Amino acid sequence: EVQLVQSGAEVKEPGESLKISCKGSGYTFTNYWIAWVRQMPGKGLEWMGIVHPGDSDTRYNPPFRGQVTISGDKSISTAYLQWRSLKASDTGMYYCARQRYGQSPADYWGQGTLVTVSS
Amino acid sequence: DIQMTQSPSSLSASVGDRVIISCRASQSVSSYLNWYQQKPGKAPKLLMYAVSSLQSGVPLRFSGSGSGTDFTLTISSLDPEDFATYYCQQSYSIPQTFGQGTKVEI
Repeated sequence: EVQLVQSGAEVKEPGESLKISCKGSGYTFTNYWIAWVRQMPGKGLEWMGIVHPGDSDTRYNPPFRGQVTISGDKSISTAYLQWRSLKASDTGMYYCARQRYGQSPADYWGQGTLVTVSS
Repeated sequence: DIQMTQSPSSLSASVGDRVIISCRASQSVSSYLNWYQQKPGKAPKLLMYAVSSLQSGVPLRFSGSGSGTDFTLTISSLDPEDFATYYCQQSYSIPQTFGQGTKVEI
């Protein structure tokens, strides 16, 4: 069974760093891309970027480039989304999702990681 | 970036109704158009990909059509479990982009 299991909810203060994870199982992790999607409270879906764990090829949606780092570790079938310095506006739900190719749909999704940034 | 615009933003419908949701792209996305369903507190779920291909396990009352820039998702007979928010997405080019969503309410 294909599963993407994300790390748990986080509560952070502005300026803190954070790295959340997405562990894949039930399929060959290096054969699929992992995308990250943001959903701010009460809002729609925003595609942040994508990483190919096999070769670490990474693409970003321009508004998120420089604000987050997307990476993958094929040795433990895990993708990551990290921030160096969180802002209150980073508060939201973050989903990882699997894509077979860069132009494929996201066919399996993680359960989401809620990130709350507040002083 | 390719902008995706859905209409309507929300609709009220009854069980058994036929529901049509539209999605327009700011430029051609070929057939790289996907639909997702999201229920409150849950992750999105892939319904339809490549315009009209039904994801495994999705009921046949869902169908998709369109080409180029104009697409539709049709629910032939609304079921109680279909009350949710629906998003179109283009995967033609990076950044991939979603429509703003259509909330289907009772």
